Amino acid sequence: GQQLNQSPQSMFIQEGEDVSMNCTSSSIFNTWLWYKQDPGEGPVLLIALYKAGELTSNGRLTAQFGITRKDSFLNISASIPSDVGIYFCAGLKEGGKLIFGQGTELSVKP
Amino acid sequence: ETGVTQSPTHLIKTRGQQVTLRCSSQSGHNTVSWYQQALGQGPQFIFQYYREEENGRGNFPPRFSGLQFPNYSSELNVNALELDDSALYLCASSLAGYGETQYFGPGTRLLVL
Repeated sequence: GQQLNQSPQSMFIQEGEDVSMNCTSSSIFNTWLWYKQDPGEGPVLLIALYKAGELTSNGRLTAQFGITRKDSFLNISASIPSDVGIYFCAGLKEGGKLIFGQGTELSVKP
Repeated sequence: ETGVTQSPTHLIKTRGQQVTLRCSSQSGHNTVSWYQQALGQGPQFIFQYYREEENGRGNFPPRFSGLQFPNYSSELNVNALELDDSALYLCASSLAGYGETQYFGPGTRLLVL
């Protein structure tokens, strides 16, 4: 089935460092989304991107919708311990169906 | 908290059994989507319900079925359970036409032995 390829699969960083992760697809999406999932919880929406080339920020998080509409990246600046979790990209298909990447697991060392 | 609740939180079944999972959507949301999340993977779309009818389905066999009730709550039923059905089952509620703002519940962890 349709898949989004997310990289890296995991990251181990020091508190205060910046983080970058990205997501690519073989097909076009008109909406890209980034979610964070904590243990025992469902994914929580961080940022939604609606237009090719769009750059959107939410606090220390910045995400961009690629020009080709087949990719997106998420940056986290000045990481803190509570940034720990699994980050998922997702593309929105017609009818409200979300296609998710495999996730990037982020660990932050204080 | 998203206002989306799911029950039960955990469940253990054996192969061949049937299971029903429940989801209460956020107040005012009329659309419920169900996702299966295997360990170490992203969620995969099972199906969506709107106005008490299935409104889109992913690549899952017919033994995965669902219901939506007039109060917009929903059930996911899985018959003839297989070992590979072991996963976290997530429901997400939204308003029709606003699929980008789906609010997820905490999930039901199903283990099939």
